[in-house]
Amino acid sequence: GESVGLHLPTLSVQEGDNSIINCAYSNSASDYFIWYKQESGKGPQFIIDIRSNMDKRQGQRVTVLLNKTVKHLSLQIAATQPGDSAVYFCAETGGSYIPTFGRGTSLIVHP
Amino acid sequence: EAEVAQSPRYKITEKSQAVAFWCDPISGHATLYWYRQILGQGPELLVQFQDESVVDDSQLPKDRFSAERLKGVDSTLKIQPAELGDSAMYLCASSLGSVNTEAFFGQGTRLTVV
Repeated sequence: GESVGLHLPTLSVQEGDNSIINCAYSNSASDYFIWYKQESGKGPQFIIDIRSNMDKRQGQRVTVLLNKTVKHLSLQIAATQPGDSAVYFCAETGGSYIPTFGRGTSLIVHP
Repeated sequence: EAEVAQSPRYKITEKSQAVAFWCDPISGHATLYWYRQILGQGPELLVQFQDESVVDDSQLPKDRFSAERLKGVDSTLKIQPAELGDSAMYLCASSLGSVNTEAFFGQGTRLTVV
């Protein structure tokens, strides 16, 4: 069936490094993608989104890249800080327009 | 800053008992979602409302779960009877529209069934 998944369950980086979190999706009808950050015991927090008519979008310290050819999405975090430590989810809305989440990647930032 | 409000934050209940969760979405948000998140996994949709109408409840275990949004604003999710496997985080989210708009999440209700 259709699914959204992440390549790496855990990513460890040093403070100040750049982080890249990857996500694969299989629903070719997906046209809107969202990255969420979830800290322990809290609800997911919106980070950045991208629509399928774009291949790159930048926010504050974050960049999302979309490669529709290989159905791949990535989140780049520049100058990663300890406060960035969390689980990151990509979500996609395909034909159902309902945000569907993958399993998540745990980002650990070492000071 | 507007946010989605959920209560209670934590709930412990015995199996076979009834439990209810409440959600107040961001003002003006017509679409409301209830998700369940098992530890270590991503949120899974239970039900989606557009105003007071259910849009999708295909993943809601209707033999024990029910959800309502009578006036199209706040919403209640109920489980009766609760089972051990229902232990999870129950998340409410809302969005302005139902098509390609970001959903904003509340802090969730952590349910433990003993």
